[in-house]
Formats: sequence, structure tokens, C-alpha cells
Amino acid sequence: DGGITQSPKYLFRKEGQNVTLSCEQNLNHDAMYWYRQDPGQGLRLIYYSQIVNDFQKGDIAEGYSVSREKKESFPLTVTSAQKNPTAFYLCASSIERTGTVLSGANVLTFGAGSRLTVL
Amino acid sequence: QQQVKQSPQSLIVQKGGISIINCAYENTAFDYFPWYQQFPGKGPALLIAIRPDVSEKKEGRFTISFNKSAKQFSLHIMDSQPGDSATYFCAAPRDGGSQGNLIFGKGTKLSVKP
Repeated sequence: DGGITQSPKYLFRKEGQNVTLSCEQNLNHDAMYWYRQDPGQGLRLIYYSQIVNDFQKGDIAEGYSVSREKKESFPLTVTSAQKNPTAFYLCASSIERTGTVLSGANVLTFGAGSRLTVL
Repeated sequence: QQQVKQSPQSLIVQKGGISIINCAYENTAFDYFPWYQQFPGKGPALLIAIRPDVSEKKEGRFTISFNKSAKQFSLHIMDSQPGDSATYFCAAPRDGGSQGNLIFGKGTKLSVKP
């Protein structure tokens, strides 16, 4: 079955450490995204990538880094510069379309999430 | 400003009742309004979506009503069931962004009591 796989599901980090969250998709989607979810805050965009070897900052990119070396992979690194990293991290992907929105074609598909806790 | 304002933050409904969640937007360039449903510990999943050229869309017990002049849209869950207990997010595409680049409301936690 096609979908998005995030790993690990739970991750604990000591202060000052970098950690990398994995995201892999087999949907052949062009675009991939990382969102951060905090209680009562909704989903906030960290980074997104519309094509291999290219990515853009979202609303809360400080303290995070990404790479897009392969179409199916979009790992997120939470660096020590991120002052409040404890959160639920969601990876998503979508078919990329320009011009007219095609109903359903640009649906965001999410992974099951990774919960990061700083000790 | 690109925002989607969602209310209420939490909602308790008796089984069989109607659940109503509202969202308001500011940017008239938005052209697609999806709702996502999220169960605890899981990622959100698309529930239903509407385009602004229609006023209502119904899928089973779930209906989106859209009021373009008021820049508001709402989700109605008819005959609410305990299995509907989840967090619901409204969203809209970010102006000028890629089609999957969404702005989300802050979510509504729905609890349906048996």
C-alpha cells in the first residue's frame, strides 16, 4: 500500500543534541512537507520541498534543517538551536499542480507522526 | 494576512446530536477549503473539502457549508457518534504557495458522549 512512513515514532533527546526524523513516501508525490503540532496551536509549517534538491522555509524554520536528495525522502534535522523542540512532528506529501486547483489532486497525505521529547 | 480562525477550541456533543465547527478566513484568494480529522497519536487525514464556487457539499454524515460573502465555512456532523471523537482542522491553501502548502486552523477537539 502507498503511504508515508515516519520514523522513529518516539524519540528522546538530550539538550544540545541534534536529531534527525525520517520521512519516506512511495506515493510518487512531487511535494513534501514538515509540520509541527503543539497542543492548541494547530499545524505549523517548518519546511517544504516541491522538487528534488530544492526546499523552502515555512513559518517556523529556525532551528531546523532539511534535505531532499531523493524524491521519496525528506528528512528533518532538529538542531540544538531549536529552543523548544518538544512536539509532534508530521511529514506530508502531495501531488504538485500549478494553475487550476484539481479537487482532490492536491490533497495532503500525512504520515503517522514522530513525537520528540527533550529530556 | 493569511490566517484561518477556527472555533470552538473544544466541543462536547451527545450521541446523535449535531456537531458544528466554524472557520473564518481573510484572504479571498483562497480557492480550496479542506477539513482534516485527526485521532490521538495519528496523523491528520482528509475528511471532506469544498471549493468556493459551491455553497454546500455533503458526504454521508459530514457537510461543509460555505458562505463566500461572509468568508466563513463550517463543518456539520449529523448524528454524531462516539467514533467521531477526534480533533478537526480546517485549512486553506497559502496564497501564492504550492497547492499542498496549507494554512491550518488551530483545531477543535470533539468529544461525543454515549
